[in-house]
Amino acid sequence: AQSVTQLGSHVSVSEGALVLLRCNYSSSVPPYLFWYVQYPNQGLQLLLKYTSAATLVKGINGFEAEFKKSETSFHLTKPSAHMSDAAEYFCAVSEPNNDMRFGAGTRLTVKP
Amino acid sequence: DGGITQSPKYLFRKEGQNVTLSCEQNLNHDAMYWYRQDPGQGLRLIYYSQIVNDFQKGDIAEGYSVSREKKESFPLTVTSAQKNPTAFYLCASRQDATPYSAQPQHFGDGTRLSIL
Repeated sequence: AQSVTQLGSHVSVSEGALVLLRCNYSSSVPPYLFWYVQYPNQGLQLLLKYTSAATLVKGINGFEAEFKKSETSFHLTKPSAHMSDAAEYFCAVSEPNNDMRFGAGTRLTVKP
Repeated sequence: DGGITQSPKYLFRKEGQNVTLSCEQNLNHDAMYWYRQDPGQGLRLIYYSQIVNDFQKGDIAEGYSVSREKKESFPLTVTSAQKNPTAFYLCASRQDATPYSAQPQHFGDGTRLSIL
């Protein structure tokens, strides 16, 4: 079975600083990986997805993620944080038998 | 605009009462899902449906029921057997029903259920 682990339930950065949100997965098959963002009292919005076409994936709002098979990681980054990036972020993996599994989420706080 | 509509946005349940959460999509997607979200626990799958008139239990189906009589609709009933129903409920859909897929799930804006 596949699973997703997000390291750090809370991450705090200053405005303009690098954002790094960590995601590791376990997989017995080539994974399909996704990052979603959730603003308060809203649903999840897709940021980006990895489908094996390229290891560096660019998404919306300036985010990108790099798939590293050797490290079983799919970390999300953004060079410069904005106040509007404050939200909860979820990593997810598509599973052969159970559709999609989500990590527990990482809440990003951006300090002025 | 195409999307997923969940209603109501806020819902209150009395003891012993069943309540139904609505989920409608106009994306012509085959698969639909219900998740429960509690603080710090991510999303947990309640039920999913890959085709009309068929659905499967997820990880936490006890105390919940669903129906899929139309492709665009997937209502969730929270029964009185669900003793701790207070949570944020999210409905999602995906274009095809193949479990292992590069296609993402699309989400509604959720319903927040509370106990009176």
